[in-house]
Amino acid sequence: QSVLTQPPSASGTPGQRVTISCSGSSANIGTHTVEWYQQLPGTAPRLLIYSDSQRPSGVPDRFSASKSGTSASLVITGLQSDDEAVYYCSAWDDSLNGNCVFGTGTKVTVL
Amino acid sequence: QVQLLQSGAEMKKPGASLEISCKASGYTFSSYYIHWVRQAPGQGLEWMGLINPSDGGTNYAQKFQGRVTMTRDASTSTVYMEMSSLRSEDTAVYYCARVVFPYAHNYGMDVWGQGTRVTVSS
Repeated sequence: QSVLTQPPSASGTPGQRVTISCSGSSANIGTHTVEWYQQLPGTAPRLLIYSDSQRPSGVPDRFSASKSGTSASLVITGLQSDDEAVYYCSAWDDSLNGNCVFGTGTKVTVL
Repeated sequence: QVQLLQSGAEMKKPGASLEISCKASGYTFSSYYIHWVRQAPGQGLEWMGLINPSDGGTNYAQKFQGRVTMTRDASTSTVYMEMSSLRSEDTAVYYCARVVFPYAHNYGMDVWGQGTRVTVSS
């Protein structure tokens, strides 16, 4: 059972904005940076966001993220059909001897 | 280009041991920590641990301590993940992944291996 909680699903029509939340605690999000990953079916995860809000090169600026207190959010603007994937947040957790934890995952469906 | 190439699919019986390799190329092997992450069928991502290729230092998730060993061979730029006492619940795709920054362990993983499918069944 993950210590980072995400909604199981989210959806939108093409062009819409979708927000995914990630709720944690002072031991993880409240202390450490948050990363976000996109996983398309049958593929390895892809890093979308690191250090709370930074995009690696090649990630479109339609993907943005923020953090406040013990929660974080990923926002997808201008939703596209190939954004349909599962999205995971991740952070380090001091209550688990400094282990990394992933969120429960959110399946984004493009209607 | 920067790449992590993993060994092929494995089928194991309960109680057996498993070793997966992850060969790095296209960057300075010793500069970037490598993580191992697994994903059971239809489930989410689960962090297993990490290794510092520079000195072989490791940090394992509590769940896997005592059952998982991560090692590296600097001469071939390869890291290994060995798991013992396999059970059916270990059936999953196993990934190695590199940290985005050199000399840091606690940031995102920007380069992933293709995954190794492991099936544990009698």
